[in-house]
Amino acid sequence: DTAVSQTPKYLVTQMGNDKSIKCEQNLGHDTMYWYKQDSKKFLKIMFSYNNKELIINETVPNRFSPKSPDKAHLNLHINSLELGDSAVYFCASSQQGMGTEAFFGQGTRLTVV
Amino acid sequence: AQSVTQPGIHITVSEGASLELRCNYSYGATPYLFWYVQSPGQGLQLLLKYFSGDTLVQGIKGFEAEFKRSQSSFNLRKPSVHWSDAAEYFCAVGPGNQFYFGTGTSLTVIP
Repeated sequence: DTAVSQTPKYLVTQMGNDKSIKCEQNLGHDTMYWYKQDSKKFLKIMFSYNNKELIINETVPNRFSPKSPDKAHLNLHINSLELGDSAVYFCASSQQGMGTEAFFGQGTRLTVV
Repeated sequence: AQSVTQPGIHITVSEGASLELRCNYSYGATPYLFWYVQSPGQGLQLLLKYFSGDTLVQGIKGFEAEFKRSQSSFNLRKPSVHWSDAAEYFCAVGPGNQFYFGTGTSLTVIP
């Protein structure tokens, strides 16, 4: 029973296209995140949502737009994809409160050609 | 500002040898510290965490970590490495509902 699930696992697309990545968690957590992992394995937080409300929006291009229809889902839509967007995108969730850990999905490997 | 530094980018150890991965953090208040492991093509799995209390914490897969406030460190250790421990290891600091990761340490285990 997967706790944090992302779809798709792999995504290959051409420059200029628009794509979405979906994330769902069944842990009852109230906070969800999107992280980007680059080719050097560096993990950078992109967005954080708490109870469907955006609370962290790091310096991410406007082409990236998260959407949280409910607290169990956090989707990531990317417009006008660029080569530099190629990376692994991880969704994660946690329960708000000090000291709780984040649970991660398996990641979506996005390749822009 | 909070940050995490992992000095070793790549580490190679022999199977059966001991392991220590270093992590230094910068955070203004009481840190909440984590070690995660990422196997190839997988997501991140929590190894252990420190919130308060005993500064030596035990985790899964035989790992332990020691919090040293005076050194702002949270080093990960394992007395005897197995080939299946080859993976990427990340230290993170989480002041609540934000998690900031170090650059990771890639561990190679040779027979």
